[in-house]
Amino acid sequence: GQNIDQPTEMTATEGAIVQINCTYQTSGFNGLFWYQQHAGEAPTFLSYNVLDGLEEKGRFSSFLSRSKGYSYLLLKELQMKDSASYLCAVRDNGRKLIFGQGTELSVKP
Amino acid sequence: DSGVTQTPKHLITATGQRVTLRCSPRSGDLSVYWYQQSLDQGLQFLIQYYNGEERAKGNILERFSAQQFPDLHSELNLSSLELGDSALYFCASSETSGGGETQYFGPGTRLLVL
Repeated sequence: GQNIDQPTEMTATEGAIVQINCTYQTSGFNGLFWYQQHAGEAPTFLSYNVLDGLEEKGRFSSFLSRSKGYSYLLLKELQMKDSASYLCAVRDNGRKLIFGQGTELSVKP
Repeated sequence: DSGVTQTPKHLITATGQRVTLRCSPRSGDLSVYWYQQSLDQGLQFLIQYYNGEERAKGNILERFSAQQFPDLHSELNLSSLELGDSALYFCASSETSGGGETQYFGPGTRLLVL
């Protein structure tokens, strides 16, 4: 079956670095997405990886290893506003997007 | 404001009924995606249209259907509604059919089936 796993919740301190992991098993692979979703709001696209390696976008970076079925989202210089749910999603060979359950990140002062 | 509009914002209806959710993509975007988000299932991809044609299909029930019109707006039709269909329904749009282009999400339609 198709499966995306990510931790349910994480806590980190303001100013620190946090890494949110995502592992996947899907029918083929056509890219991996990370989204941020604040409570009661729509998701916001953060990043896309289709080749192995690190993609950096300001304070956010995303890494992909296709051979390991693994990705992580790295958030640096954490701010209180980074408290949100982070969703990992994989596009399979049929172009279907499969989402993980999301990781609830709490940033503490 | 993402530029994607969805109507209505809230919808309350009864089991067995049929509703239509509407989405207008950002100007210039050709792709529209529909998602369902419920507390127990998380975010689920339903279907994608690109320039009027179905592009990808996710976990969309047979009771649900969608289409994209020539002006690129899209409608999601939900019929024979059940209590479990209560959820937040998001529409998103992107410039092309994917790749890794940014998807812009609308504010969502909150559906409550009683």
